[in-house]
Amino acid sequence: EIVLTQSPGTLSLSPGERATLSCRASQSISRSYLAWYQQKPGQAPRLLIYGASSRPIGIPDRFSGSGSGTDFTLTISRLEPEDFAVYYCQQYGSSPWTFGQGTKVEIK
Amino acid sequence: QVQLQQWGAGLLKPSETLSLSCAVYGGSFSGNYWSWIRQSPGKGLEWIGEISHGGSTDYNPSLKSRVTISVDTSKKQFSLKLTSVTAADTAVYYCAIRWYNHSPFDPWGQGTLVTVSS
Repeated sequence: EIVLTQSPGTLSLSPGERATLSCRASQSISRSYLAWYQQKPGQAPRLLIYGASSRPIGIPDRFSGSGSGTDFTLTISRLEPEDFAVYYCQQYGSSPWTFGQGTKVEIK
Repeated sequence: QVQLQQWGAGLLKPSETLSLSCAVYGGSFSGNYWSWIRQSPGKGLEWIGEISHGGSTDYNPSLKSRVTISVDTSKKQFSLKLTSVTAADTAVYYCAIRWYNHSPFDPWGQGTLVTVSS
């Protein structure tokens, strides 16, 4: 199975700052089948990015994804108050589908 | 807009069978993959398995011996059964949809906390 390792574990930033989250895979993810989710307390995860860099309808353009192979990045260009949450990467290139352990973006 | 509504027993004793169901509202119920995922403090998000529109199943090898996922297309519902539960199965369980092969999970159900305790 593909193991996803996210870093850092926690990111302490202020509103308006840029957030850069990393997701590294134990083996290459085919065709960039990599997604990012946002989860707030008491809620289900919400899809932010799929195909490593595509945004679903309704996701603000301050969220962007990049990367290929084994190294992927989620960037939040300017943090809004509602962006402080936990972010997970997930691969859907090879079953079993797997998730990273999450990066918490907290208010500094 | 497709929404998922899930339900099931929230408190089980060790060795019992976990049973959850998920209904799909507001969209097509064909050509999809219907999945179950769980989240626990110790293991994070863990994909349990899924059933396709064609009825084929795919389970996480770590749970395969205890899991059954089924679908009732007439009711637009799918279900999860996990046998012989232990405290390690305590988690929030989510249902979710994948729209085609090699697609992410979207949307998700609201989640059901299942606690296993004697």
